[in-house]
Amino acid sequence: AQSVTQLDSQVPVFEEAPVELRCNYSSSVSVYLFWYVQYPNQGLQLLLKYLSGSTLVKGINGFEAEFNKSQTSFHLRKPSVHISDTAEYFCAVSEGNAGGTSYGKLTFGQGTILTVHP
Amino acid sequence: DVKVTQSSRYLVKRTGEKVFLECVQDMDHENMFWYRQDPGLGLRLIYFSYDVKMKEKGDIPEGYSVSREKKERFSLILESASTNQTSMYLCASSSAGSGSYEQYFGPGTRLTVT
Repeated sequence: AQSVTQLDSQVPVFEEAPVELRCNYSSSVSVYLFWYVQYPNQGLQLLLKYLSGSTLVKGINGFEAEFNKSQTSFHLRKPSVHISDTAEYFCAVSEGNAGGTSYGKLTFGQGTILTVHP
Repeated sequence: DVKVTQSSRYLVKRTGEKVFLECVQDMDHENMFWYRQDPGLGLRLIYFSYDVKMKEKGDIPEGYSVSREKKERFSLILESASTNQTSMYLCASSSAGSGSYEQYFGPGTRLTVT
């Protein structure tokens, strides 16, 4: 069974400061990794994903994440945040190539609320 | 543009009522999912479906059932609503053949059971 832990439930930062949202996972098989964002009163939107290849993944809105297999981590970063980045962020994992029986199911972390202050 | 729609944004029901939450996707996706979202718990999978009339339990299926009679529509049913089912419900879909595993989400239904 796989699990995802987001190490911070809330992260307050000032506008234009850098931010890192931390995510660790556990799985006995190879995985695909995702970060989703949820703005208030909306559904989830994909920020970025890691399937294979380069461990540094760039996504929308200036976010990037780095897959670290040895530390089983997939931390999300942005060098300079804006007020509009205020939202809840979810890390998720899916079993990679599980013989077609995983059906793309995702296991989500608990979420991190990012609040950007002026 | 891909689209997942849910029948209601807000819903208030009484304890013991039968509740139907509807989800429709226009992307011809094979896989569809129902999650509930609670503060501090993230999203938890209730049920999913990988084909018409096919369904499998997720992590928290108790108190719920689902129906998928057509490829584009996936319904979540609360047979007898209880107050502990007050939550945000999110529907998602994904393609079985794309290899990307990306799920597309609807806007959610906030259900209150009184």
